[in-house]
Amino acid sequence: DGGITQSPKYLFRKEGQNVTLSCEQNLNHDAMYWYRQDPGQGLRLIYYSQIVNDFQKGDIAEGYSVSREKKESFPLTVTSAQKNPTAFYLCASSYRGNQPQHFGDGTRLSIL
Amino acid sequence: GESVGLHLPTLSVQEGDNSIINCAYSNSASDYFIWYKQESGKGPQFIIDIRSNMDKRQGQRVTVLLNKTVKHLSLQIAATQPGDSAVYFCAENGGGGYNKLIFGAGTRLAVHP
Repeated sequence: DGGITQSPKYLFRKEGQNVTLSCEQNLNHDAMYWYRQDPGQGLRLIYYSQIVNDFQKGDIAEGYSVSREKKESFPLTVTSAQKNPTAFYLCASSYRGNQPQHFGDGTRLSIL
Repeated sequence: GESVGLHLPTLSVQEGDNSIINCAYSNSASDYFIWYKQESGKGPQFIIDIRSNMDKRQGQRVTVLLNKTVKHLSLQIAATQPGDSAVYFCAENGGGGYNKLIFGAGTRLAVHP
């Protein structure tokens, strides 16, 4: 079945540590996205990529980094510079242009 | 499961009734709109979309209405079922053409038997 796989489902970060969240899709979508969701709020865009080897900052990119070396993969690193990383992180993908974004089931990141 | 929103506006309906969830969007340049359903602990699930050259679009048990004059979007769910209980988000593209979606805060739909 085609879809988007995020791993791990739960992740814990120690102070000063960088952690990487995985996102893989087999939908042959060109575009991929990372969102952050906090309780009582909608989704906020962290980074997006329209094509391999290219990505742009979203609305809340500070403290995060991404790479897009393969069409299928768009990992997100939450760096130690992100002072409030506790949130639900969602990855999505879509065809380019105005098309529905399809989401994975998220990774919940907490601080130890 | 984890809650996706602790203080969201809530719409409570009886099973079998029709539900209407409303959304005011922010950018008059937006020309593409989507409704998503999110269950606790899961990612948003695509329900239906509409482009600005349309006022209405129907799917299975769902209808989306777009009023560009007042920047208003609504999702109508017919014969609401317990499985429809979730948080519903509207999203707009901001007119940028890069599929950068802007999400609303969401509305919780609670269906009672």
